Amino acid sequence: QSALTQPRSVSGSPGQSVTISCTGSRSDVGRYDYVSWYQQHPGKAPKLITYDVTERPSGVPDRFSGSKSGNTASLTISGPQGEDEADYYCCSYAGDYTLVFGGGTRLTVL
Amino acid sequence: EVQLVESGGGLVQPGGSLRLSCVASGFTFDNYWMFWVRQAPGEGLEWVANIQENGIEKSYVDSVKGRFTISRDNAKNSLYLQMNSLRAEDTAVYYCARGFLTGDYWGRGTLVTVSS
Repeated sequence: QSALTQPRSVSGSPGQSVTISCTGSRSDVGRYDYVSWYQQHPGKAPKLITYDVTERPSGVPDRFSGSKSGNTASLTISGPQGEDEADYYCCSYAGDYTLVFGGGTRLTVL
Repeated sequence: EVQLVESGGGLVQPGGSLRLSCVASGFTFDNYWMFWVRQAPGEGLEWVANIQENGIEKSYVDSVKGRFTISRDNAKNSLYLQMNSLRAEDTAVYYCARGFLTGDYWGRGTLVTVSS
């Protein structure tokens, strides 16, 4: 049950794309297509942004997209907006009905 | 509208116990897995435990096994987390969330502080 590895911070401007990586192992991210991403603003509850690697809940802007390659999942934000400045957490199924989160990444919009 | 409301947090001494509750509304509670996630002050999210729709299957993170018990009462649309032998490192905001592989709805959380 080791936490997934995320960069502590990333930054980008509205004219760019920003990607947050999430590295796990063959026991979690590499084995299952059940990676989700959550957005959390300070003092607020987490909000689901993507699930099952690439799926997006209704109401989430299409500038958010998820992907996976091997043991690493990624969240890409195409043209981040000011309201996207927040903490982002990845989460993967790890077998035996357990989940594991990443350490979180702070996104700064320049 | 789906709502999850946690309660039961507070200040407790090391070694003490606390029972958290999460009342659900706006959906058919017994159709969903539920889980608890915690967040220590200034830290990231940590999955704590989950429970199957019928309450039979349960899983826990290693750090709480033998100390925490997750349960539910589908007649009351309620999820619980019984926390015993609490330690300073259990201090966190505890969130309940709907789902198994994905938490599509979350409560606002309840703060548990373990300190003497």
